[in-house]
Amino acid sequence: NAGVTQTPKFQVLKTGQSMTLQCAQDMNHEYMSWYRQDPGMGLRLIHYSVGAGITDQGEVPNGYNVSRSTTEDFPLRLLSAAPSQTSVYFCASSSGGPSYNEQFFGPGTRLTVL
Amino acid sequence: GENVEQHPSTLSVQEGDSAVIKCTYSDSASNYFPWYKQELGKGPQLIIDIRSNVGEKKDQRIAVTLNKTAKHFSLHITETQPEDSAVYFCAARLSNFGNEKLTFGTGTRLTIIP
Repeated sequence: NAGVTQTPKFQVLKTGQSMTLQCAQDMNHEYMSWYRQDPGMGLRLIHYSVGAGITDQGEVPNGYNVSRSTTEDFPLRLLSAAPSQTSVYFCASSSGGPSYNEQFFGPGTRLTVL
Repeated sequence: GENVEQHPSTLSVQEGDSAVIKCTYSDSASNYFPWYKQELGKGPQLIIDIRSNVGEKKDQRIAVTLNKTAKHFSLHITETQPEDSAVYFCAARLSNFGNEKLTFGTGTRLTIIP
């Protein structure tokens, strides 16, 4: 199993550009989430999905869109990048429901917006 | 919503000594408390977790304690080794929800001094 994979590893954008961060998992997990990690602020939830076709907003959703057409993939779209979106982005997945399931994280994408 | 505070933000200990990281949470409905370790350039990885019906859990050199009354929980690492150097995150999850309701602390950078 590859686990949770993310592409690209690094990306530099200019203000106003759009891009999609890719996330895929091969563990047949129902739950997938996107976090951003900023210095001194820990991990903050952007969007999450509890299954294919179902998404919802997290703590900091503004400026980001998601969709979940398959169990495996959960892309994150930046429609018009802003310098405030400079961050490290992590995708995570876990089995569904309230049981105590481990959340697996991908290796992250470091995004810089100029 | 849930709020998790984590202290200290940085911690340096001599190799072989113990390290303690503390977290407090705000919502008494939280019932699951995982700890994650993040090594440089990687995504967070679960190292230990505790549920609200348990006061303490140990796994070799790592232990976690939970005080539900005071709403705080702690990570204890004994006989520290250089490979313990990393950023550690605590988290709390509301009962009856899955990992979509996981709230993270702001992280502790632990440095082990040889």
